[in-house]
Amino acid sequence: AQSVTQLDSQVPVFEEAPVELRCNYSSSVSVYLFWYVQYPNQGLQLLLKYLSGSTLVKGINGFEAEFNKSQTSFHLRKPSVHISDTAEYFCAVSPMDSNYQLIWGAGTKLIIKP
Amino acid sequence: DAGITQSPRHKVTETGTPVTLRCHQTENHRYMYWYRQDPGHGLRLIHYSYGVKDTDKGEVSDGYSVSRSKTEDFLLTLESATSSQTSVYFCAISESEAGTSYNEQFFGPGTRLTVL
Repeated sequence: AQSVTQLDSQVPVFEEAPVELRCNYSSSVSVYLFWYVQYPNQGLQLLLKYLSGSTLVKGINGFEAEFNKSQTSFHLRKPSVHISDTAEYFCAVSPMDSNYQLIWGAGTKLIIKP
Repeated sequence: DAGITQSPRHKVTETGTPVTLRCHQTENHRYMYWYRQDPGHGLRLIHYSYGVKDTDKGEVSDGYSVSRSKTEDFLLTLESATSSQTSVYFCAISESEAGTSYNEQFFGPGTRLTVL
């Protein structure tokens, strides 16, 4: 069975500081990887995804993530956060042998301190 | 933004009453999903649909049923609501199946359901 672990439930960080949100997964088959963002009282939207190729993926709003197959990780980073980045971030994996599954982490709340 | 609406957006109901939530899309996407979101659990799949009248169970389907009579509408029904079904419910759609490189799920705004 596959699983996704987001190691931090909350990450407080000062505005303009860098941030890393961690995501590790477990799967017996190859997966596609996603980060979604949920702003307060809204639905989720795709931030970025890794399908194949370069392990460094760039997404919207200045975020990027690096796929590390040996460590089964897909950490999300931003070099300088803004107050508007306050949101909950979800990591998800899609096993290549399933036609419907998207397995979700529990989410990490990014709290920006002024 | 993907054209996905959910109704109602908020609902308060009592234990034992039936509740139906509606998801409507204007994107003509084949796949539709119902998730529930609870603190500490992320999103959990309730049911999904891979076409008109084609549905299947997700990981937390007990107490829920779904129907899809048209491409654009996916209904979630709680036959007899319980307090454990208090949650935020999200509908999502996708053009392709999850195990392909083209999959991306687009989410509706959510329905906040409270069962007293």
